[in-house]
Amino acid sequence: DTAVSQTPKYLVTQMGNDKSIKCEQNLGHDTMYWYKQDSKKFLKIMFSYNNKELIINETVPNRFSPKSPDKAHLNLHINSLELGDSAVYFCASSRVGAMNTEAFFGQGTRLTVV
Amino acid sequence: KQEVTQIPAALSVPEGENLVLNCSFTDSAIYNLQWFRQDPGKGLTSLLLIQSSQREQTSGRLNASLDKSSGRSTLYIAASQPGDSATYLCAVKNTGFQKLVFGTGTRLLVSP
Repeated sequence: DTAVSQTPKYLVTQMGNDKSIKCEQNLGHDTMYWYKQDSKKFLKIMFSYNNKELIINETVPNRFSPKSPDKAHLNLHINSLELGDSAVYFCASSRVGAMNTEAFFGQGTRLTVV
Repeated sequence: KQEVTQIPAALSVPEGENLVLNCSFTDSAIYNLQWFRQDPGKGLTSLLLIQSSQREQTSGRLNASLDKSSGRSTLYIAASQPGDSATYLCAVKNTGFQKLVFGTGTRLLVSP
């Protein structure tokens, strides 16, 4: 069973389109994240949700809107896609608080904007 | 602001060698530190998690150490194998912040 799964794995789309990436975790974790890996392979946090509430929003354009329908899901919607949005987007989850656990990552979604 | 650096950026060794990857961080108020490996075109696989109160963790041929006061962690790989070839990333979680700050990565190539 995949612990953190995200779909699609690959996404090729034209500039100006709107697209969504879905993420689900079956680990019972209370916190989920979106990270972006740029062309230089550097990973950086975008958003973090704890129990469906947004707790981290790093300087990300408001064209990116995360949505957490429940603790097990965190989706990422991107409006008006730009060439610079091309990257690999990773979803992750962990449990925080007294029983802080390691973070588990999905396989990534490679987004290419043409 | 936490900054994480990994040295070397790339490393090439023959099979069987023992090797050490280095990770340094600027803010010692960390909650934990995690080592990952990333294979080309793949996701991140967690290798070891060290809590701030721990000095080291071991898993098979891997041993990770943590020295909070000096802002350093090392990942020791014993008897390296070609299957160990990947990019190794360290990431720290600061106290009070629910996010990982990643290092720049070390690209390891183990040749047969």
